[in-house]
Amino acid sequence: DTGVSQDPRHKITKRGQNVTFRCDPISEHNRLYWYRQTLGQGPEFLTYFQNEAQLEKSRLLSDRFSAERPKGSFSTLEIQRTEQGDSAMYLCASSSLQGAANYEQYFGPGTRLTVT
Amino acid sequence: LAKTTQPISMDSYEGQEVNITCSHNNIATNDYITWYQQFPSQGPRFIIQGYKTKVTNEVASLFIPADRKSSTLSLPRVSLSDTAVYYCLVDSGSARQLTFGSGTQLTVLP
Repeated sequence: DTGVSQDPRHKITKRGQNVTFRCDPISEHNRLYWYRQTLGQGPEFLTYFQNEAQLEKSRLLSDRFSAERPKGSFSTLEIQRTEQGDSAMYLCASSSLQGAANYEQYFGPGTRLTVT
Repeated sequence: LAKTTQPISMDSYEGQEVNITCSHNNIATNDYITWYQQFPSQGPRFIIQGYKTKVTNEVASLFIPADRKSSTLSLPRVSLSDTAVYYCLVDSGSARQLTFGSGTQLTVLP
């Protein structure tokens, strides 16, 4: 399977702990996105990378959130001092500069975070 | 960004054609209309995209009237496996992030 993969699929953590999620995009895709989705809502954009450069960050991305994409391959999203409001599905997507335009993004299965 | 309005939910029966309409009264000249599908516990999946008139692919058709203030996603002969949430998105073709609304929950009944 050469789709977008995310790890872990599920994470339960206690309030105040730090968590880190990993995303492996489709190998030839140089654009990578992070979204957050809560129950009953559509995904909300968090941040975007082109290669290793983080080019956009949503206002949703508080200073407790940090994302990296070293070497322009996989990406990590870290949440420090988790709060119950961080409980959500965290989705990663990737797309290519060539071929289809930005609107065709390929999503991974997501990491479901539960903060107790 | 143009705001989209679509029904919260729809029911249909297997084998029927389903049409989901999305309103986007403030669509801009540079905006495209894109539809995504999402199954439970999965990420969204691109279905179709268009600018005007009609677009058809192996999965669906997208009808866009001349004023572009609405669009209709048409799914021919739905099956139980088409039960999902369908999102209508309106964005500039150069937009980097996708802006999702709440979507339409389509339930296909046997």
